[in-house]
Amino acid sequence: GESVGLHLPTLSVQEGDNSIINCAYSNSASDYFIWYKQESGKGPQFIIDIRSNMDKRQGQRVTVLLNKTVKHLSLQIAATQPGDSAVYFCAENSYNAGNMLTFGGGTRLMVKP
Amino acid sequence: EPEVTQTPSHQVTQMGQEVILRCVPISNHLYFYWYRQILGQKVEFLVSFYNNEISEKSEIFDDQFSVERPDGSNFTLKIRSTKLEDSAMYFCASRTDREELFFGSGTQLSVL
Repeated sequence: GESVGLHLPTLSVQEGDNSIINCAYSNSASDYFIWYKQESGKGPQFIIDIRSNMDKRQGQRVTVLLNKTVKHLSLQIAATQPGDSAVYFCAENSYNAGNMLTFGGGTRLMVKP
Repeated sequence: EPEVTQTPSHQVTQMGQEVILRCVPISNHLYFYWYRQILGQKVEFLVSFYNNEISEKSEIFDDQFSVERPDGSNFTLKIRSTKLEDSAMYFCASRTDREELFFGSGTQLSVL
C-alpha cells in the first residue's frame, strides 16, 4: 500500500557537523511534503515544507531536497546544535487523500557535544 | 506567538469509561484535526473538521470516537468507552487555509 517511511531510526552526529535525515515515500500522488521536529513531551513542530513542483527549498540552517524520480525526501541540517536533538518526521499530503497528513516512522537525531 | 493548547496534559481512566480531550485551536484557524501517537510509533491521523462538520476520518476513528466544536474556541475529542489500546498521546492541530499545520503539546491518555 501507499506509505511514507524512513531509512534510519537513529542518527548520531557531532555538534557542528551537518546532518542528513532521509525519507522514502511511495504515493506518487503526493504533492506536498513537510518535515516536523518532535522534542520529548511536545507536539510535532513544523520545520520546512516543499511542494512537488520544486526539488529544493532552503530555510534557516535547514534544506529539504525532493527527488520525485526515486520518491525520496531528505532534510539537511547545517552546523547541528544540541538543541537539534529530537525525533524528525517526514509527512506527505495529497489532495486526493483529502488533504490529511501521512507521517513517516521518525528518525531520532542525537547531537554529541 | 499563538499556539494550540490542549488540556489535560495527562489523563488516566479506567477501561470502559468516557473521556473528553480538550483543545483550543489558534483563533483565526479554520481547519481542525486530531492525531494520535502510540508510544514509539508514528503519528496517525484520526479526523479532520471544517465548517462544523467532519471532512475526513481514518479507520481508527470508529463509532466510539466523536468530535465537537461546542463554541467558537474549543474543539473536543470524545472517546465513549475507552479500551486499553486507546492509550496514546493525542494531538490536536489546526491551520488556516494554508497547509502549515500547528500542533498542540498533546494529551497523554492512559487507559487502565
